[in-house]
Amino acid sequence: DAKTTQPPSMDCAEGRAANLPCNHSTISGNEYVYWYRQIHSQGPQYIIHGLKNNETNEMASLIITEDRKSSTLILPHATLRDTAVYYCIVSANTGTASKLTFGTGTRLQVTL
Amino acid sequence: DGGITQSPKYLFRKEGQNVTLSCEQNLNHDAMYWYRQDPGQGLRLIYYSQIVNDFQKGDIAEGYSVSREKKESFPLTVTSAQKNPTAFYLCASRGRGAGELFFGEGSRLTVL
Repeated sequence: DAKTTQPPSMDCAEGRAANLPCNHSTISGNEYVYWYRQIHSQGPQYIIHGLKNNETNEMASLIITEDRKSSTLILPHATLRDTAVYYCIVSANTGTASKLTFGTGTRLQVTL
Repeated sequence: DGGITQSPKYLFRKEGQNVTLSCEQNLNHDAMYWYRQDPGQGLRLIYYSQIVNDFQKGDIAEGYSVSREKKESFPLTVTSAQKNPTAFYLCASRGRGAGELFFGEGSRLTVL
């Protein structure tokens, strides 16, 4: 599975959009981009995933560049409850278990 | 409700003792994973399994062992060979297709 690079930390004012970048320059054609977040001392929570098109759900939007070498997770109106560590991972799903590797993620701090 | 159950949530053991962490899922997922998390760090993959009686080492398998005798269950044993076992342990499962990971709530092991 391809490795990802994320900034270690970011701040965002409550009510503003939080844009979290992720680089995955070695991504393969059949690998998806997944985003998870982890609130302190809990199991990570799935947010969104995509292959090549932009995706949106009730939690967030995912923008993937045309060359698929990077992506951005957008939380459109961040709240204090969005303070967490956000992980970006890439993985294929070929029917066999993939070695899903998490990096250290981005610690997002939402402030008043 | 469907989900992943890890037990115990907290565990204390003396140095040199083996300890087994339980992970059960009723999501009918094929793949299961064990991760370790140290304070302020990301998730590191210990072992993963695609099917019954098959499992693969992750990035930090030394000092750990697993079994997969049933699809629903993937217990992790932390052996006395693991030099620094105190950590937060997370179990996850994943279905077929472009499936996201579902995580348990974690088990916090403290070795005294």
